[in-house]
Amino acid sequence: DTGVSQDPRHKITKRGQNVTFRCDPISEHNRLYWYRQTLGQGPEFLTYFQNEAQLEKSRLLSDRFSAERPKGSFSTLEIQRTEQGDSAMYLCASSSLPTEYTFGSGTRLTVV
Amino acid sequence: QKEVEQDPGPLSVPEGAIVSLNCTYSNSAFQYFMWYRQYSRKGPELLMYTYSSGNKEDGRFTAQVDKSSKYISLFIRDSQPSDSATYLCATQAGTALIFGKGTTLSVSS
Repeated sequence: DTGVSQDPRHKITKRGQNVTFRCDPISEHNRLYWYRQTLGQGPEFLTYFQNEAQLEKSRLLSDRFSAERPKGSFSTLEIQRTEQGDSAMYLCASSSLPTEYTFGSGTRLTVV
Repeated sequence: QKEVEQDPGPLSVPEGAIVSLNCTYSNSAFQYFMWYRQYSRKGPELLMYTYSSGNKEDGRFTAQVDKSSKYISLFIRDSQPSDSATYLCATQAGTALIFGKGTTLSVSS
């Protein structure tokens, strides 16, 4: 297992298009998190899964955002009708303990 | 007031210097504190975490928490050019981590 894997690494999309990102966590980790990081800021929490259940969502996760984790394995984050303000790095992390995250390298989204 | 405040720097030091990175937090209920290192175009990497007050040492790195002043610190001894990165402090609020903005450190050889 080589850690948390995210795909794609970089996505450029036109405003109004839908995008989907994938995260493959460390296989033995039952907890999975999505964060968003903009330039010059620390990561901000978006949502949390324990196994396949989405247990917590931030108010940052507007109704244009949806996340899934079917069968408690990989996860996807979809953004519908993208806006320029959605441009950011989207980070996925996984853990078996709540205090020890392993982050992926992120997907950098640019909305033009 | 943000829940975790961190001076973004940048901070530039010569190789071998002792580096002190600091954060303050607002909520006295926070118990777990972490330091992450983030290289350019990479995700954050957990360096250390501490519970409540006190010190924790790992090689050249020492994390310190002072709950009375709501102050957390990371000290790097004998800094190396490979330490050049952004350092993020974080605390845990429920299931989510709350991060500072990060301090960008540059160590010159």
